Amino acid sequence: EVQLVESGGGLVQPGGSLRLSCAASGFTFGTYWMSWVRQAPGKGLEWVANIKQDGGERYYVDSVKGRFTISRDNGKNSLYLQMNNLRAEDTAVYYCVRDKVEGPTNLDYWGQGTLVTVSS
Amino acid sequence: DIQMTQSPSSLSASVGDRVTITCRASQSISTYLNWFQQKPGKAPKLLIYTASRLQSGVPSRFSGSGSGTDFTLTISSLQPEDFATYYCQQSDRGPLTFGGGTKVEIK
Repeated sequence: EVQLVESGGGLVQPGGSLRLSCAASGFTFGTYWMSWVRQAPGKGLEWVANIKQDGGERYYVDSVKGRFTISRDNGKNSLYLQMNNLRAEDTAVYYCVRDKVEGPTNLDYWGQGTLVTVSS
Repeated sequence: DIQMTQSPSSLSASVGDRVTITCRASQSISTYLNWFQQKPGKAPKLLIYTASRLQSGVPSRFSGSGSGTDFTLTISSLQPEDFATYYCQQSDRGPLTFGGGTKVEIK
């Protein structure tokens, strides 16, 4: 059974930093692209970033470029999102999502999400 | 960026009704279109991928169609467990983008 379990969310002040983690199991982690998708309270879904199997390609939505860094450790079956210089508008539930092996993205398995609140 | 527009933003329907949700892309995306269902407090669930392919385990009352810029999600006979919010998402080119969502409520 595919499982994705996020951790690391919490309350942080504007300008602060937070590192999210996602523990993956039930599939061969290193063969998949992985994504982070977020959802602000009461709002729709926004794709944040994704990373290729070997970490050699990483893509970000414009609003987080230069502030967020996606990374992975295939030996630990783990995905990460380092978030720096956080803003109020980054407040959201962050989901770890299995992306694709190749071809178009499917986003076929999602974690339960971890809440990040940016507030003073 | 490719903009995804869903309509309607909400609808009221009864159990057994046929429901259709539309998604329009701001430029052609071939069939690189996915549909998700989200219930309150839960993670989204993939229903349909590449416009018309049913994800494993999803009931056959769900179907998708379309190509280019216009797409449709159809629920042939609405069931109580189908009351939720539905999102379309394009995977043709980055950044991946979602529609604003369609909330399906009980009439």
